[in-house]
Amino acid sequence: AQKVTQAQTEISVVEKEDVTLDCVYETRDTTYYLFWYKQPPSGELVFLIRRNSFDEQNEISGRYSWNFQKSTSSFNFTITASQVVDSAVYFCALSEASGTYKYIFGTGTRLKVLA
Amino acid sequence: NAGVTQTPKFRVLKTGQSMTLLCAQDMNHEYMYWYRQDPGMGLRLIHYSVGEGTTAKGEVPDGYNVSRLKKQNFLLGLESAAPSQTSVYFCASRGTSGGLLATQYFGPGTRLTVL
Repeated sequence: AQKVTQAQTEISVVEKEDVTLDCVYETRDTTYYLFWYKQPPSGELVFLIRRNSFDEQNEISGRYSWNFQKSTSSFNFTITASQVVDSAVYFCALSEASGTYKYIFGTGTRLKVLA
Repeated sequence: NAGVTQTPKFRVLKTGQSMTLLCAQDMNHEYMYWYRQDPGMGLRLIHYSVGEGTTAKGEVPDGYNVSRLKKQNFLLGLESAAPSQTSVYFCASRGTSGGLLATQYFGPGTRLTVL
């Protein structure tokens, strides 16, 4: 069965600190997708990144970076020099790579960035 | 291009009442999904549709029905609302081609309270 674990329920950091959000997944599929979404206080879900299982390159987008390691089944998300606007709940999700592409979500990590 | 929209944004029901949530997308996507979000549990799939006229059960389908009479619309119905259905409901859609294949795009959510 597929499963996504976000063990960090809530993290608080002071502005400008770096912070890493952990995501560990379980799947028997050899091909799959991993995602991160941001849910700001306004409530919508904002797509951040998609990674397929064959692409283990790390990705950087501005202050955001993602580290995908198949050996440890992890897809961690780092925010560098955090800002108050980064305060949100962040969800990691796993999808099969065929058929219905249903998502399995983690329970989310609430990030609070304090000024 | 509005993306995915949901109607209504908020609703309060009494136990036993019925209602329908409407999801509409203007991206010509084949796949549509309904999720519910509860505190500490992430998002869980209720029902989904792989095309016009088709529906299927997700992880937590009990107490809900869906219909996909038109490709752009996906309706979620509660026939007899219960307090356990108090939640935030998200609709999502996904295309079947393009660079972000498998990525779901979410609507803004509907906050439902059942008294």
